[in-house]
Amino acid sequence: DAGVIQSPRHEVTEMGQEVTLRCKPISGHNSLFWYRQTMMRGLELLIYFNNNVPIDDSGMPEDRFSAKMPNASFSTLKIQPSEPRDSAVYFCASSSQGIGTEAFFGQGTRLTVV
Amino acid sequence: AQSVTQLGSHVSVSEGALVLLRCNYSSSVPPYLFWYVQYPNQGLQLLLKYTSAATLVKGINGFEAEFKKSETSFHLTKPSAHMSDAAEYFCAVSRANAGGTSYGKLTFGQGTILTVHP
Repeated sequence: DAGVIQSPRHEVTEMGQEVTLRCKPISGHNSLFWYRQTMMRGLELLIYFNNNVPIDDSGMPEDRFSAKMPNASFSTLKIQPSEPRDSAVYFCASSSQGIGTEAFFGQGTRLTVV
Repeated sequence: AQSVTQLGSHVSVSEGALVLLRCNYSSSVPPYLFWYVQYPNQGLQLLLKYTSAATLVKGINGFEAEFKKSETSFHLTKPSAHMSDAAEYFCAVSRANAGGTSYGKLTFGQGTILTVHP
């Protein structure tokens, strides 16, 4: 398996623009997670899905952030409108259900909002 | 609720020296514990995990960690540091559901940056 695939790897956008980050989880995994990493706040869980259903979105910072998982092989995280404080690395991770299962991370998307 | 505290945001060692990265957890139920490593501009990679089997867990790249329930600790060690070990290390915890399984939802510590000097 190719692992968790995220696109784009880098995104630079102007404040106010819409940004869409994409993720393809590992085939067969039924949980998907979106994390944000910044120097100040470390790794924050934004939202996670189980069997394509959002289970916990309490980490989503504002209504400007939204996430979807239309099927088992694709998820998006959208920021509209974007702000400079959204600049961070966004990671997608997936996992399966089991005893002490770990999350497998993608390479991340580095977002810069200018 | 669960939480993880990593003691020391930066650790510096000489090549060949012992590496010790500290992690303490808080969990109301027996936890699953993990150590991840992140190299610059990359995602997180699993080093090792504890799932209530052996308390001493061996991972990749010569790392190991020991689960100590009485101390609520899961410290990461490596006998001899290598230059390639320089990275950021994250301790994480998850909890089991009633059936003993989990969904991979992890709570991470703040991370420890390991620097290795020649």
